[in-house]
Amino acid sequence: SQTIHQWPATLVQPVGSPLSLECTVEGTSNPNLYWYRQAAGRGLQLLFYSVGIGQISSEVPQNLSASRPQDRQFILSSKKLLLSDSGFYLCAWSGGGEQYFGPGTRLTVT
Amino acid sequence: QKEVEQDPGPLSVPEGAIVSLNCTYSNSAFQYFMWYRQYSRKGPELLMYTYSSGNKEDGRFTAQVDKSSKYISLFIRDSQPSDSATYLCAMRGGGYQKVTFGIGTKLQVIP
Repeated sequence: SQTIHQWPATLVQPVGSPLSLECTVEGTSNPNLYWYRQAAGRGLQLLFYSVGIGQISSEVPQNLSASRPQDRQFILSSKKLLLSDSGFYLCAWSGGGEQYFGPGTRLTVT
Repeated sequence: QKEVEQDPGPLSVPEGAIVSLNCTYSNSAFQYFMWYRQYSRKGPELLMYTYSSGNKEDGRFTAQVDKSSKYISLFIRDSQPSDSATYLCAMRGGGYQKVTFGIGTKLQVIP
């Protein structure tokens, strides 16, 4: 069966610091991968999605970036965090139909 | 107008009640429909996935799709306190990999 992992689970970072969140998927090959941010009262916001290694589509222009160095690895990064980057970050995968989510990373920027 | 409209609630019901959760959408290209359950501070969990009009049943859950009215529903029978969570509807077009989500309805089942 397929499993999706995210780490860390919780992160507190100061403004201006860098960020690296990692997501890995097990039990499937060539998945579509997604990064979402969920803010209170605002629903799920799609940030990036990837249909293959090195292929990244950005949905929201901001100070975040994503990379896919391996087939089942998806990384979300920032060089300098802003207060507005606080939120719940979710990675998801899809085999072409429905999407499955990871456990999420709760990021607080102070 | 948002592509997907969902009442955020909160919705409070007594234990054992039938719960009806709904979403409307405006994009006629949507063909695949999903319902997710999200507990506080957890990732969304896929409950139901359907691509045709009509009903799909799984245990106490029934998903209903009416493409002509652009309206989808999730029914929960014999609701339990453990059903207390936020329920998100989601949908996508046939050739697209991006999914559009509703804002989620917060449900509380009172013992």
